[in-house]
Amino acid sequence: QQQVKQSPQSLIVQKGGISIINCAYENTAFDYFPWYQQFPGKGPALLIAIRPDVSEKKEGRFTISFNKSAKQFSLHIMDSQPGDSATYFCAATTAYSGAGSYQLTFGKGTKLSVIP
Amino acid sequence: DSGVTQTPKHLITATGQRVTLRCSPRSGDLSVYWYQQSLDQGLQFLIQYYNGEERAKGNILERFSAQQFPDLHSELNLSSLELGDSALYFCASSVRQGGNTGELFFGEGSRLTVL
Repeated sequence: QQQVKQSPQSLIVQKGGISIINCAYENTAFDYFPWYQQFPGKGPALLIAIRPDVSEKKEGRFTISFNKSAKQFSLHIMDSQPGDSATYFCAATTAYSGAGSYQLTFGKGTKLSVIP
Repeated sequence: DSGVTQTPKHLITATGQRVTLRCSPRSGDLSVYWYQQSLDQGLQFLIQYYNGEERAKGNILERFSAQQFPDLHSELNLSSLELGDSALYFCASSVRQGGNTGELFFGEGSRLTVL
C-alpha cells in the first residue's frame, strides 16, 4: 500500500521557470514532511521540511506548501536552474512519536530536468 | 559528504548467493536505517536499528537480515539472492545522542547486481 503518492513522475522545465511537484498522503498520524533531493550516483539529501502546524515554508528558491485538510503538500522551485536537475522525493513520517523513530515513507520520486 | 559510509559501492553476484552490505553511520548517530531503491518501487524502507536494537521493520524479505553492532556500524545480509534483488541499497543514520533534527543522512549506496 503506497501511503505517499507523488506526481508527476518526470518534469521538464525551462531555466528560470517554476517547478512544481505534488504529494498526497493517507496516514493522518504523519507529522513531519521532508523533501529529499538525489543527484545521480549519490544518496538522497534533505532539501527542506515542514511540520503540519504551518501552511508554508520557504528556504531560498524552494517552498513547501502544505494543506492539512486535503492531506497534500507540494514543492515549488522558483527560478529553476540546470543545477536543480535531480530526482526529488517527498516523504512523510511520525517524527515526534518517539525517540529515534524517523522511518520515512517516500513517494516514488520525480525526475526534474531543467533545460537552458 | 553525509558522513555515512557504505561498502562495497558495487557488487555483482549470482542467483542463490549471499552477500553482506556494510554501513558506518555518522559519528554519534544511534539510528541506522536500510532502504532499497529500485526503478519501479522507489525508496522502500527495510529495517531500522537504534543503539543496537531493532526498532522498526518495513518491507524486508525473510531472506534478508540485519544487525547493528556495539560500535554502531550495521550490516545487511541478503541470502538466496534472486534476480529481483538487484537494486541500490542505501543506509541512512540519524539521532545524535542528546537531541535530533528529524533528518536522515544517507550514504551513497551499494549497487547490487544479481546475474
